[in-house]
Amino acid sequence: DTGVSQNPRHKITKRGQNVTFRCDPISEHNRLYWYRQTLGQGPEFLTYFQNEAQLEKSRLLSDRFSAERPKGSFSTLEIQRTEQGDSAMYLCASSLVLAYGYTFGSGTRLTVV
Amino acid sequence: GIQVEQSPPDLILQEGANSTLRCNFSDSVNNLQWFHQNPWGQLINLFYIPSGTKQNGRLSATTVATERYSLLYISSSQTTDSGVYFCAVANSGGGADGLTFGKGTHLIIQP
Repeated sequence: DTGVSQNPRHKITKRGQNVTFRCDPISEHNRLYWYRQTLGQGPEFLTYFQNEAQLEKSRLLSDRFSAERPKGSFSTLEIQRTEQGDSAMYLCASSLVLAYGYTFGSGTRLTVV
Repeated sequence: GIQVEQSPPDLILQEGANSTLRCNFSDSVNNLQWFHQNPWGQLINLFYIPSGTKQNGRLSATTVATERYSLLYISSSQTTDSGVYFCAVANSGGGADGLTFGKGTHLIIQP
């Protein structure tokens, strides 16, 4: 068990470019979550997968954001046409079932310049 | 959606002191978790505690679901306890599995 892995750790991009982040959950975990955290705030929920099915999306997840979890394994989060307001730490978490706590990855810090 | 309020927002203590952090929430929940975010940004799950009491070493937590609050106790604080403590809740019966986090309690333990 190597924990939840996120790549890249840091990403600097120019406004208007597309970016994609990857999350590899703990292998036996069937639930996977994406959160966004800005400085001084708690994480905000973006979306949630159970196996390969995307079951819930926050209204924060505008149409520029898309997430996938093919085959119920790793997940990707893509942001199209990035804006400066997208600058944040993007966190991935996984859990086995609802009755267990989350395990978070170290996050991907996105800076849009 | 559910509102989560944490208090105090900031807390500075000497090593060895005890502390109590509070989390109030506005609706019934079936998922409540406490997390510690260390100074390097890593979020560590401390407890999954939608009701009842749990203990893990120097840390313990109690959730009184009927009164909509949870408490996190830290005893004999160490400098490594410094960081931000978050309470997060959800009510999946309402169709929302995503956790709503509070703003956190920023704890500084001085040697």
